[in-house]
Amino acid sequence: GAVVSQHPSRVICKSGTSVKIECRSLDFQATTMFWYRQFPKQSLMLMATSNEGSKATYEQGVEKDKFLINHASLTLSTLTVTSAHPEDSSFYICSAGRGGYNEQFFGPGTRLTVL
Amino acid sequence: DAKTTQPPSMDCAEGRAANLPCNHSTISGNEYVYWYRQIHSQGPQYIIHGLKNNETNEMASLIITEDRKSSTLILPHATLRDTAVYYCIVRAVSGGYQKVTFGTGTKLQVIP
Repeated sequence: GAVVSQHPSRVICKSGTSVKIECRSLDFQATTMFWYRQFPKQSLMLMATSNEGSKATYEQGVEKDKFLINHASLTLSTLTVTSAHPEDSSFYICSAGRGGYNEQFFGPGTRLTVL
Repeated sequence: DAKTTQPPSMDCAEGRAANLPCNHSTISGNEYVYWYRQIHSQGPQYIIHGLKNNETNEMASLIITEDRKSSTLILPHATLRDTAVYYCIVRAVSGGYQKVTFGTGTKLQVIP
């Protein structure tokens, strides 16, 4: 298998501040990572595809200027929620694919609460 | 990717087999059936996938009908730790580099 970690696991911030969430592939290189958002009692919604060394591809309806994605290395992608507001409170999950494996490997998620 | 339909919830007695159905009547010939599950407040976990043959691994079995329009995930001896939301997903690729689109899933409650 493969391990994907996220940091922090949970974060509470004030409205108007920015929050950075890290997604790391611990034992493999990930040229592509994905970011999802999940509201309570709902399914996961894909936000964007993060590509190492290039711009992220955002799903329709996702504000790229609000959710900044940086995939600076083969093992790290970051999601920054800029000027966070209470409606951005959600569970954010990343995933990555690994060569030789058919499935996506998901991180444990980050619970963001904006006060 | 083809759309899937799953019952919103199911109960299963601990120790019994849990059979989770999925309908994917519009599946194309090159599309695979994947199953993931998500335990509360955790990231999804891959379970199994298949194209047209039945598959089995240490976690579960996947039964795909001959016409491939539906499938069943079988957890042979459900435990309380199997309580989760189970997602049936149809994808056009077998690799891990393509995005996964989640539906609403089936919430499985394993009862003591």
